[in-house]
This record gives sequence, structure tokens and C-alpha cells, in this order.
Amino acid sequence: QKEVEQDPGPLSVPEGAIVSLNCTYSNSAFQYFMWYRQYSRKGPELLMYTYSSGNKEDGRFTAQVDKSSKYISLFIRDSQPSDSATYLCALRRGGSNYKLTFGKGTLLTVNP
Amino acid sequence: ETGVTQSPTHLIKTRGQQVTLRCSSQSGHNTVSWYQQALGQGPQFIFQYYREEENGRGNFPPRFSGLQFPNYSSELNVNALELDDSALYLCASSSGGDETQYFGPGTRLLVL
Repeated sequence: QKEVEQDPGPLSVPEGAIVSLNCTYSNSAFQYFMWYRQYSRKGPELLMYTYSSGNKEDGRFTAQVDKSSKYISLFIRDSQPSDSATYLCALRRGGSNYKLTFGKGTLLTVNP
Repeated sequence: ETGVTQSPTHLIKTRGQQVTLRCSSQSGHNTVSWYQQALGQGPQFIFQYYREEENGRGNFPPRFSGLQFPNYSSELNVNALELDDSALYLCASSSGGDETQYFGPGTRLLVL
């Protein structure tokens, strides 16, 4: 079993839709949870960073962490064609090891 | 955009050759991590350098090696290139004690 599972999609939605992206993980040692957006042929760009269980909102983006279920989500409201990209979840253990463990990424296309 | 830069942007090598990739970290950051991203996959952690010392390594063979310089820039060296080394190589910089990693645009390596 992989440490982090993410449905690779692809996911295609109409403009204005609410998008839900998810990852599950198996190791309870993960304490930090991130979502990165990666456009084609570019490096990942940090979107959201959370530490504890609960919700964190930033504009149209909401990150949700449920440590008891080992489940993290990213919601995108009022999706735009410019949101079309691959979305990667990334998890990190506590302590001085800054290694990020990534999901496979979900390819999202928002159609005008 | 982050302040992380990488060179070269693209590289073509043949099997058995050696390659050096370079990364300049964001100003004020003393930690550099390297990741390999194969097509359709999430980034995989190679190793991390903190203040010129290796601070963790992923499941990569010894032919993957690195350096960090006093100005915190970094190099990734890969010897005896194999076809499976074809990937996007990403570096990410962070500040010690700050969990946020900022990625560069990557170097795309093709091994023929």
C-alpha cells in the first residue's frame, strides 16, 4: 500500500463548478498537509498548507484535514479555466525531516 | 513566482553519461531538497541539504549525489545515467524551521 493515495483522474468540469479533490494516507505520523498546483511543464506551486484537523480557507480554495480518517481534501469554488492544472497533495512528518511525500496528482480541466 | 531558479531547463544525455543540475535557492533559505518527477507521477524525494550537510535521503542509489554551497545553492549529480532517469528534476528551497517548500521550474532530463 502506498503511503499517499490520490485518484489521478482526469477530472473535467464546467466553469463555475465546485471541485473536490482528495487524498488518503496510511501513516499517522504525517502532521503537515499541503496542496500544490502544477501547470504543464512547470514546477509545483504551493496553494494551501495546514497543520491540524479542520478547515482552512483562502479565497476560492478550502483545504480540509480529517486526521482520524486519514483523509484530506481541497475544494475549489467557482472554478475557472485558469484552474486547469494538476493538483498534488503533499504530506510531511513532524521533526527535522522536511521530506514531502506526494500523491500522484489529479489532472483537472475546467471547460469554459 | 518563487525565487528558486534551476539550470539548465532541458537536457538530453545518453545512457552511461553523467549530468549535473543546478539550483539557486530563494533568498534567506538555507535548505534545499531535490525531487524526481516521472511523467504522470508525483515528485519523489531524492535528498535534502541543510547548511551544506545532507539531511535525509530517499530511496535513490548512490549514483545520485549532491552538494550545497556556502551561498546555499545546490547541485544534483547523476552518474551512469539510465533510461529510467528521464524525468523532471525539481529543487525546492525552505528556511530551517519553516515547513513551506518553494519549488523551482525544474530541469527536464531525457536519457536516450
